[in-house]
Amino acid sequence: AQSVSQHNHHVILSEAASLELGCNYSYGGTVNLFWYVQYPGQHLQLLLKYFSGDPLVKGIKGFEAEFIKSKFSFNLRKPSVQWSDTAEYFCAVNAPRAGNMLTFGGGTRLMVKP
Amino acid sequence: KAGVTQTPRYLIKTRGQQVTLSCSPISGHRSVSWYQQTPGQGLQFLFEYFSETQRNKGNFPGRFSGRQFSNSRSEMNVSTLELGDSALYLCASREGGGSTDTQYFGPGTRLTVL
Repeated sequence: AQSVSQHNHHVILSEAASLELGCNYSYGGTVNLFWYVQYPGQHLQLLLKYFSGDPLVKGIKGFEAEFIKSKFSFNLRKPSVQWSDTAEYFCAVNAPRAGNMLTFGGGTRLMVKP
Repeated sequence: KAGVTQTPRYLIKTRGQQVTLSCSPISGHRSVSWYQQTPGQGLQFLFEYFSETQRNKGNFPGRFSGRQFSNSRSEMNVSTLELGDSALYLCASREGGGSTDTQYFGPGTRLTVL
């Protein structure tokens, strides 16, 4: 079975700081990778996803993530955060050969100070 | 299109009771998945239905069950409620059954078991 680890549980940044949230997964086969965001009081929303091709994927709101297969990692980045990025971020994987369910990491709570 | 809707949004039950939660997927979506979100365990997959058939099931006891109707609406049922069942139950829909299809999440039903 696949598993996902997010190393940072809580991150506090000032506006305009750069962001990198770590995500590592464990599964030996092909995976699809996702980052979801949950703003306070709102639904989980998809930020970006990676299936194949260019390992650097760009998502909404200026976020991007890089898939490094050799490191089993899919880190999320944003060059300059805004107060409105305050939210909880979840990394998720699914493995087509192991069913289509999403396996989520534990989440990272990001607080951006104005 | 309207998003994924879940009813009720909040529910309070006592131990030993049973509960039924409802999910209406985005129009045209045939796959519905259910997830449980708790502070301790995070987001965990419960089950997935596609065209009225359960395709995958997570590691939850048999007290958790679900079904999908011909209009793709889905219900999940939890019998003999325990205190540990208190959680946010999320429903997600996607258009097809492929692993690369984006899952769109609803607002969730917050279940409190007293």
